[in-house]
Amino acid sequence: EAQMMESGGGLVQPGGSLRLSCVAPGITFTSHWMHWVRQVPGKGLVWVSRINSDGSSAHYADSVKGRFTVSRDNARNTLYLQMDSLRVEDTALYYCTRARDGSRNAMDVWGQGTMVTVSS
Amino acid sequence: QSVLTQPPSTSGTPGQSVIISCSGSSSNIGSNTVNWYQQVPGMAPKLLIYRNDQRPSGVPDRFSGSKSGASASLAISGLRSEDEADYYCAAWDDSLGGLFGGGTKLTVL
Repeated sequence: EAQMMESGGGLVQPGGSLRLSCVAPGITFTSHWMHWVRQVPGKGLVWVSRINSDGSSAHYADSVKGRFTVSRDNARNTLYLQMDSLRVEDTALYYCTRARDGSRNAMDVWGQGTMVTVSS
Repeated sequence: QSVLTQPPSTSGTPGQSVIISCSGSSSNIGSNTVNWYQQVPGMAPKLLIYRNDQRPSGVPDRFSGSKSGASASLAISGLRSEDEADYYCAAWDDSLGGLFGGGTKLTVL
């Protein structure tokens, strides 16, 4: 089954930064909207951000606006999430997802996630 | 408290049918399409229904979705043990952006 592959998670102190990456080996990427979704283990899904196919438009959840930046490199089939001014409440498993062809928000391909832990 | 409201849990016996509701408002479900996701514990979510009532290839027709006004529903017929999972509705909100419901845990008794 096709899957995204996230990396870049880890342990960081409050106020610190991390950059998540997501590659799509063998998966059509360039014409699709892409999203980041996070989940605290044992809790529900929370949408974080989305970016359109050419990277010219991005949207963010209010909780991360001004701190997180989504970007993409279509030549490398790679999606990024730059996370600055991290807070304890940003601790979660971060999923990279692809919206299906013709849709902006129906996420048909997911990764296994990368864990971000913000703690002193 | 999620903007999209789902019951926290539901249950059924094998062969039965269950319906999971998702209630929103005019700025999300009322004006945008609804998607449903299934998440088996320990696994990544899987798209189950998109555009209110469309099934991706490979999703059994036991799963169906519907939408009316600012509410949506996911129906599962002929319950099977492998349907035991968490189910999430999702919709775009014109002000808030992407939204997920709080999730409904389905137990197959």
